[in-house]
Amino acid sequence: EDKVVQSPLSLVVHEGDTVTLNCSYEVTNFRSLLWYKQEKKAPTFLFMLTSSGIEKKSGRLSSILDKKELSSILNITATQTGDSAIYLCATNQGGSEKLVFGKGTKLTVNP
Amino acid sequence: GAGVSQSPSNKVTEKGKDVELRCDPISGHTALYWYRQSLGQGLEFLIYFQGNSAPDKSGLPSDRFSAERTGGSVSTLTIQRTQQEDSAVYLCASSLSFGPGTRLTVL
Repeated sequence: EDKVVQSPLSLVVHEGDTVTLNCSYEVTNFRSLLWYKQEKKAPTFLFMLTSSGIEKKSGRLSSILDKKELSSILNITATQTGDSAIYLCATNQGGSEKLVFGKGTKLTVNP
Repeated sequence: GAGVSQSPSNKVTEKGKDVELRCDPISGHTALYWYRQSLGQGLEFLIYFQGNSAPDKSGLPSDRFSAERTGGSVSTLTIQRTQQEDSAVYLCASSLSFGPGTRLTVL
């Protein structure tokens, strides 16, 4: 059974800190890994990483896929209170469109 | 529309009643997904529609759950004879974009 594990489950930091969120996966016929940010109800898409695109960056956020270690990290530099959210990692496999999600990392950024 | 919309945003029902949740996907998107998120849990896949192909129903937890998609656009998720364990946020996604969800509470 496909599995996605995120760590830590929760994290509390101060504004300006840099954080690294982890995601490891066990997926048959891996195709892509996605990161989402969930503040209220709707997860917001951040990045998609595939074999042909293992590193993505957008502003203070960046993500890397390590296919050898079957894992990914999401980095947030110079954190702001607006970064407080649950960060979700998901994977899908070739031949299937459904996403398998981890339980998320709850990030709290204090002023 | 600009994004995925869902209705109602909140639904409180009594155990044993049937409920219908609606999803309006982004116009032109052929892929539509339903997920469920219980308190403290990750998102759980329920069902996937792609164009006119047969839906992937492999995530539906029981035969009390069903979904349809009419005309390749609007989708309805129906839960019959609701149970307390059905309480969750039900999220619809159109390709990679999620709607705001419906919070279902079964008393």
